[in-house]
Amino acid sequence: GNSVTQMEGPVTLSEEAFLTINCTYTATGYPSLFWYVQYPGEGLQLLLKATKADDKGSNKGFEATYRKETTSFHLEKGSVQVSDSAVYFCALSDNKAAGNKLTFGGGTRVLVKP
Amino acid sequence: DTEVTQTPKHLVMGMTNKKSLKCEQHMGHRAMYWYKQKAKKPPELMFVYSYEKLSINESVPSRFSPECPNSSLLNLHLHALQPEDSALYLCASSPGTGGGVLGWNEQFFGPGTRLTVL
Repeated sequence: GNSVTQMEGPVTLSEEAFLTINCTYTATGYPSLFWYVQYPGEGLQLLLKATKADDKGSNKGFEATYRKETTSFHLEKGSVQVSDSAVYFCALSDNKAAGNKLTFGGGTRVLVKP
Repeated sequence: DTEVTQTPKHLVMGMTNKKSLKCEQHMGHRAMYWYKQKAKKPPELMFVYSYEKLSINESVPSRFSPECPNSSLLNLHLHALQPEDSALYLCASSPGTGGGVLGWNEQFFGPGTRLTVL
């Protein structure tokens, strides 16, 4: 079956530091890949996505590239802010017509200190 | 309108109560989802509705009963719940199902209902 593995947190860093969260996946077929962010007490927000190999998703300074050869979709941001403190989930969609089942990684809590 | 709304925001219920969670979207999406999320865990899929028909039930206990009255609304009826059912219940919608390149699989989540079962 499908699976997503992402680095365990918490990740603690200072403002303006570089952030990387590793994500690797196992899937059959041609999945789509996503990063979702969850702020405290809220639902999930779609941060960025990629639908095929070598696609780069980007949003709000975050980037991730769909690497089929390494089955990875690592999230990066060059300079984090305190407001980026949240839990980040890597996910894949199986793109099946019956229902796009999302398989999530375990989540990585990020804490940015001033 | 690019929102998924959920009511109520918080719900406390006893094990013998019957209650319902509501979810609404006005984005014209044709697929809607219920997820359950325990603390410090990722969401777990419960149900998928595609074009108002139940297409996926992830072996959820019958004390959870979903309903899709129309393409904009999704309900989750709760009856005889257990304390371990306490969690954040998230609703999501997507334009359709399948077709990743077309963006049909992008799921938009609501803020959730925090349920406590006493």
